[in-house]
Amino acid sequence: RKEVEQDPGPFNVPEGATVAFNCTYSNSASQSFFWYRQDCRKEPKLLMSVYSSGNEDGRFTAQLNRASQYISLLIRDSKLSDSATYLCVVNIGRGTGGFKTIFGAGTRLFVKA
Amino acid sequence: GAGVSQSPSNKVTEKGKDVELRCDPISGHTALYWYRQSLGQGLEFLIYFQGNSAPDKSGLPSDRFSAERTGGSVSTLTIQRTQQEDSAVYLCASSWKTAYEQYFGPGTRLTVT
Repeated sequence: RKEVEQDPGPFNVPEGATVAFNCTYSNSASQSFFWYRQDCRKEPKLLMSVYSSGNEDGRFTAQLNRASQYISLLIRDSKLSDSATYLCVVNIGRGTGGFKTIFGAGTRLFVKA
Repeated sequence: GAGVSQSPSNKVTEKGKDVELRCDPISGHTALYWYRQSLGQGLEFLIYFQGNSAPDKSGLPSDRFSAERTGGSVSTLTIQRTQQEDSAVYLCASSWKTAYEQYFGPGTRLTVT
């Protein structure tokens, strides 16, 4: 089983739609969580951190469920410019004090007019 | 402020040659990461540096790959005796500390002919 799993999609949605992505992680020592977006042939860009209490940034809402070991990203009122690959990122604590960063394989989103 | 920079942006080399890729992290960031991404694939962790601690080299695919970070700032990833399967985009990221948000450079696209 992969340490971080995402539905690869693609998700094809019309403008204005609400779309949700989930990401599951297997290691209970996971300590910090993020969503990134990556446009075609570009580097990943931080979208938002994910906090236990949930957090919102404009049209984007991220949530963490530690008991079920998943994080989610909700995009409301989708725009054409939201078309990208969304990457889930998990940092797993190690006994040595270091961390291991795992990127999910990404979920592709296409928003159409 | 200045983001993560990488050079060169593109590198074409012949099989068997050595290459050096450079990364300049965000000033003040103590953690620096190298990843690679093959076309249409997810990010593959290679190595990370945290302050003066020994680097985590667990992701390096073979002993042809090495990296160093001088003075806690600039890092160089060296690939010796390049092979065609080394062709990929090599991405560098930095963060304030490990487990914090990572910020990526634009990447170096390496093509081995």
